Amino acid sequence: EVHLVESGGGLVKPGGSLRLSCAASGFTFSNSWMTWVRQAPGKGLEWVGRIKIKSHGETTDYGAAVKGRFTISRDDSRDTLYLQMNRLETEDTAVYYCVTGVGYGDVDYWGLGTLVTVSS
Amino acid sequence: DIVLTQTPLSLPVTLGQPASISCRSSQSLVYSDGNTYLNWLQQRPGQPPRLVIYRVSNRFSGVPDRFSGSGAGTDFTLKISRVEAEDVGIYYCVHNEQSVTFGGGTKVEIK
Repeated sequence: EVHLVESGGGLVKPGGSLRLSCAASGFTFSNSWMTWVRQAPGKGLEWVGRIKIKSHGETTDYGAAVKGRFTISRDDSRDTLYLQMNRLETEDTAVYYCVTGVGYGDVDYWGLGTLVTVSS
Repeated sequence: DIVLTQTPLSLPVTLGQPASISCRSSQSLVYSDGNTYLNWLQQRPGQPPRLVIYRVSNRFSGVPDRFSGSGAGTDFTLKISRVEAEDVGIYYCVHNEQSVTFGGGTKVEIK
C-alpha cells in the first residue's frame, strides 16, 4: 500500500525558511516522479512543483508562484522527498501535500499534508 | 497555459439522485502520445484529495461504480449516478502533463 507522510510544517515569519519532508513507502520511490501540491485555507489546489527520477535527469519544474524561492529534491536512498522553502510570504500559508502516481507525473496517491503558516 | 473551468461551483443534490460536473479546458488535452491526462479528485471535508477517475474515464481502485467520467478534447464530465451521503465534498478536475493544472472545484452538498 502506498504511504506518503509529510512533516516539517509549522509557524514561520515572513522572509523565513522551512524544509518539508515526505517519507514514502509501499512503492518504488526511485522510479517515481514526485509532486508537491498546496492548498491555502478555504481555497483550491495549487501545483507547487515536481521532480523527475534520476534516469530522467532529476529535472525539477515549479509553479510560477514559487519559482526561484522553493527547491524540490529527493533522496532515493532514504525514500524521501524534500521541499526547501525560502523567502516565505504570507501567501505561502497552506497545507502542503506530497503526491505521486502509477505513471510518470500522475496524481494518484496523496499524503495527509502538513500545514505551513507564515505570519509575523 | 491551460485553464480548466468547472461548472457549477456548487451542486445541491437530493440523496439518491444523479449529479453531473463539467470541466472545460482552454485547449485540447490530447497529448502527443495519444492519451488524455484528465483526472477527477474528490476531497471530503477535512481530508486530503483522493483520485476517483483517471485518464478521463477510468475508475481508480476502490471507487464505487456510481462514479463515471467521460469526455474528449476540451470538454469533460464527472457523473455520480445516485448520490450518497459520503459523496459530499469538493470535486476537482486536474490535468497532468508538462505541469499540473487544477480546476476551481465544485462543491457537492445534500439538499
